[in-house]
Amino acid sequence: AQSVTQPDIHITVSEGASLELRCNYSYGATPYLFWYVQSPGQGLQLLLKYFSGDTLVQGIKGFEAEFKRSQSSFNLRKPSVHWSDAAEYFCAVGSGSSNTGKLIFGQGTTLQVKP
Amino acid sequence: DAGVIQSPRHEVTEMGQEVTLRCKPISGHDYLFWYRQTMMRGLELLIYFNNNVPIDDSGMPEDRFSAKMPNASFSTLKIQPSEPRDSAVYFCASSLSHLGKGETQYFGPGTRLLVL
Repeated sequence: AQSVTQPDIHITVSEGASLELRCNYSYGATPYLFWYVQSPGQGLQLLLKYFSGDTLVQGIKGFEAEFKRSQSSFNLRKPSVHWSDAAEYFCAVGSGSSNTGKLIFGQGTTLQVKP
Repeated sequence: DAGVIQSPRHEVTEMGQEVTLRCKPISGHDYLFWYRQTMMRGLELLIYFNNNVPIDDSGMPEDRFSAKMPNASFSTLKIQPSEPRDSAVYFCASSLSHLGKGETQYFGPGTRLLVL
């Protein structure tokens, strides 16, 4: 069965520092992978997605993620964090099958940014 | 486009009462999803529709939960009777097509439900 693991429940970084949020997935075929961000009291906003092609994916707000099949990972990175990046981040995997639209989400990582 | 619209944004009710959550997907989107978010279980897919037809309701917790999509622009999630353990944030999402075509799910702001 598909699953997503985000090993870090909570991360704190200083403003201007680099960021990496980890995501590991379990899926038999080539997965469709997503990163969403949720600000307090808000819905989820898509940061980026990977379906095929270049394994380094660029997203909004200066985020990028790299798909590594050998490590079953899809880590999210940002070179310099801004205070407005404080939020909860969700990694998700989709089966992509023609008869399913399911997304399986990880438990989320809460990012705190220190001034 | 206004995005996915959900109402109400907050709902407080007493155990045993009926609760109805509403969703208007993005115009032209063929897929609609209902998710529930809790601290204990995270984000879970409850049910999703394609062209107003329920495709997979395996995530619906029990018979107290029901969902309908009478037309392409409206869906409801109903809980009857409600219980305190139903307290959660319920999200509606929609997408133009299915994941196999590379489509993105767009989420509404959610309905925060508290059952006393």
